[in-house]
Amino acid sequence: AQKITQTQPGMFVQEKEAVTLDCTYDTSDQSYGLFWYKQPSSGEMIFLIYQGSYDEQNATEGRYSLNFQKARKSANLVISASQLGDSAMYFCAMREVYSGAGSYQLTFGKGTKLSVIP
Amino acid sequence: DTGVSQNPRHKITKRGQNVTFRCDPISEHNRLYWYRQTLGQGPEFLTYFQNEAQLEKSRLLSDRFSAERPKGSFSTLEIQRTEQGDSAMYLCASSLTRSSSTDTQYFGPGTRLTVL
Repeated sequence: AQKITQTQPGMFVQEKEAVTLDCTYDTSDQSYGLFWYKQPSSGEMIFLIYQGSYDEQNATEGRYSLNFQKARKSANLVISASQLGDSAMYFCAMREVYSGAGSYQLTFGKGTKLSVIP
Repeated sequence: DTGVSQNPRHKITKRGQNVTFRCDPISEHNRLYWYRQTLGQGPEFLTYFQNEAQLEKSRLLSDRFSAERPKGSFSTLEIQRTEQGDSAMYLCASSLTRSSSTDTQYFGPGTRLTVL
């Protein structure tokens, strides 16, 4: 079973509009961390936002916010006021603290390609 | 503060040749990670170091792959007897572990390997 599922291979959004990128995860750990990264065509993975499993508030970083629904095991990324420079691949990732697979590796989803339309 | 750097950015080699990649982490970061990313996929974990000790290795890391971090600073990833299936982007990341930190991994620009 996939640990990180991103069901949207591609998304389009109009410039200045908000967009939500979906991510669901699967873990039996109580303590884990969820990350979102942006990967432009240049290839570098850029860290956007982090949510810890015990954090009670949804994480926010500028135009990025994370809609964390623990019971549903979802961690959707919301980008507000989209800009042309937001066009990129977006990856959701999880770090499980006590998993037997390793405590510090990130497990990534397959990504969502976001295209911002002028 | 400079980010993670990787060299070379691109490498084209013939099947059967050996290749070596270098990663320089963010200077105070004690953990260093290697990932591999193939087309249309997210990165997959290969191995990680805490200081100079290699603490985890993925089953993806066959015996043709070896990684070192000799002085706990930069790291090298060597692939011996390359195969066409080794063609991928090799990403390096580093993080700083503190009790109050999220241990966020910051990635370099990657080395794109093409095996002909």
